[in-house]
Amino acid sequence: GENVEQHPSTLSVQEGDSAVIKCTYSDSASNYFPWYKQELGKRPQLIIDIRSNVGEKKDQRIAVTLNKTAKHFSLHITETQPEDSAVYFCAASRGGGGADGLTFGKGTHLIIQP
Amino acid sequence: NAGVTQTPKFQVLKTGQSMTLQCAQDMNHNSMYWYRQDPGMGLRLIYYSASEGTTDKGEVPNGYNVSRLNKREFSLRLESAAPSQTSVYFCASSGIHLNTGELFFGEGSRLTVL
Repeated sequence: GENVEQHPSTLSVQEGDSAVIKCTYSDSASNYFPWYKQELGKRPQLIIDIRSNVGEKKDQRIAVTLNKTAKHFSLHITETQPEDSAVYFCAASRGGGGADGLTFGKGTHLIIQP
Repeated sequence: NAGVTQTPKFQVLKTGQSMTLQCAQDMNHNSMYWYRQDPGMGLRLIYYSASEGTTDKGEVPNGYNVSRLNKREFSLRLESAAPSQTSVYFCASSGIHLNTGELFFGEGSRLTVL
């Protein structure tokens, strides 16, 4: 089955700086790569996703890049703010995040220092 | 529109006791999932149901059973609870027919097995 590795496990950045979280996956058939944000005590929520026919996607301060050849994808957060502090999970799936579900990375705890 | 609702939110069991976690969604989604979340382990898929009437094992199914009662409801049963099943459990649903892949999570159920 799919295996998703996520790094780093903890990331501390100064407010206003950029943060980058990286993931690698093992299944070359995976074609859907979402990122979820989980605030303390809350449920995970989708913040951005990318499909294998796209190399990069941006949504305001958040961007995701995908390198299918190397089987890795990254989350980029620019101009970080206190509300960005949370645990971020990457995930990979073969098909639309559907019947087979998603395989998640172990998470990155992002800490925004004031 | 409540989204995904799961009960109970908290439960303490003794080793060997049984219990059922209930989940319901009102988004007319075909697929439903049960994940468990443990510190440093990310989200791991226990069981999923691609559509009403079907269920399949995920990554960590041992010690659990599920029932897809109808399109709205998907329950998770622990027949004989063990301390290793202490975790936070999340139910989720996905609209396959929408082909978005997004998972919508419930608020989580924190289970402690003594």
